[in-house]
Amino acid sequence: ILNVEQSPQSLHVQEGDSTNFTCSFPSSNFYALHWYRWETAKSPEALFVMTLNGDEKKKGRISATLNTKEGYSYLYIKGSQPEDSATYLCAPIRSNYQLIWGAGTKLIIKP
Amino acid sequence: SAVISQKPSRDICQRGTSLTIQCQVDSQVTMMFWYRQQPGQSLTLIATANQGSEATYESGFVIDKFPISRPNLTFSTLTVSNMSPEDSSIYLCSVLDRGLGEAFFGQGTRLTVV
Repeated sequence: ILNVEQSPQSLHVQEGDSTNFTCSFPSSNFYALHWYRWETAKSPEALFVMTLNGDEKKKGRISATLNTKEGYSYLYIKGSQPEDSATYLCAPIRSNYQLIWGAGTKLIIKP
Repeated sequence: SAVISQKPSRDICQRGTSLTIQCQVDSQVTMMFWYRQQPGQSLTLIATANQGSEATYESGFVIDKFPISRPNLTFSTLTVSNMSPEDSSIYLCSVLDRGLGEAFFGQGTRLTVV
């Protein structure tokens, strides 16, 4: 059974500041890693799907890196805005397409 | 991509009663997944709903408590039976894009059992 850990569990960030958080996972049987943003009262929404060691993905002010050898991924948000407030979930996926979800990092942007 | 319509979006139920949650997908999919997220915990897979066969339940979840229907390739229901306050949770249905394994979700059902 994969054990996915996300840290910190929650995070308060001042508007305009940059921040980052971590997803750790066992590196065996790795196929891909997903990052999702889950806003209150909405469905989780895919941010990135990452597959290769050393991958870096970027979407606007949000970027992510992946290290499959050591089993971690970082998500970075530059210049946080109130609309970035959400829970960020990571989920490594195994070759059988089974997603294993982390508990998420709840990000709150303070105006 | 896939668009999933899930209802109800929220409900408050008395203990001992049952609630059925529905999900409708805008395309045909082989497998649909049912999750729950209890407060402060990760998304936990309850079962995989297969069309034409019984659902596959994860450890700790049983059919008598969470019966699932999958009458066709675009629709599924999950029933939470004989509810107790411990069943208070967000319930989500999901499908996977086979190519990238990207997950698409319904809007979620926020269940409170009193």
